Amino acid sequence: EVQLVESGGGLVQPGRSLRLSCAASGFTFDDYAMHWVRQAPGKGLEWVSGISWNSGSIGYADSVKGRFTISRDNAKNSLYLQMNSLRAEDTALYYCAKDDWFDPWGQGTLVTVSS
Amino acid sequence: EIVMTQSPATLSVSPGERATLSCRASQSVSSNLAWYQQKPGQAPRLLIYGASTRATGIPARFSGSGSGTEFTLTISSLQSEDFAVYYCQQYNNWPLTFGQGTKLEIK
Repeated sequence: EVQLVESGGGLVQPGRSLRLSCAASGFTFDDYAMHWVRQAPGKGLEWVSGISWNSGSIGYADSVKGRFTISRDNAKNSLYLQMNSLRAEDTALYYCAKDDWFDPWGQGTLVTVSS
Repeated sequence: EIVMTQSPATLSVSPGERATLSCRASQSVSSNLAWYQQKPGQAPRLLIYGASTRATGIPARFSGSGSGTEFTLTISSLQSEDFAVYYCQQYNNWPLTFGQGTKLEIK
């Protein structure tokens, strides 16, 4: 069974940093691109960042470019999102997602940016 | 960036009736389109990928069609559990992009 378990969220002040992690199991992790998708409270879904299976291709939404860094460790079946210079508008539930259509979704990890 | 536009924003339909949701891409995405269902307090669930292939465990009343820039999700006979928000997503190009969602509500 494919499982994606996000962690690392929390309450953080504007301008500070946070690192999210995603533990993957139930599939061959290094066969797939992985992504981060977020959902602000009461809003729709927004793709944040993606990384190819070998980290050779990486992409970011304009809203996070230059502040967020995606990475993966295939030996640990893990995906990461380093978030720097956080803003109030980064407040959201962050999901990690497998492949280019997302199935299944994890429970997400909540990031709240507030003073 | 490919912009995905869903219509209508809200659709009111009675149980047992058919619902038709639309998704338009600002440029061709071929058949690289997925549909998701999201209920309050839950993570999204994949319904359709490849524009028309149902995901595992998705009932046959859900069907997807279209290619290029115009796509449709049809729910043939609405059940009570189908009232939710539906999103389309293109995966033809990065950045991956979602539509803004269609809320399907009970009439």
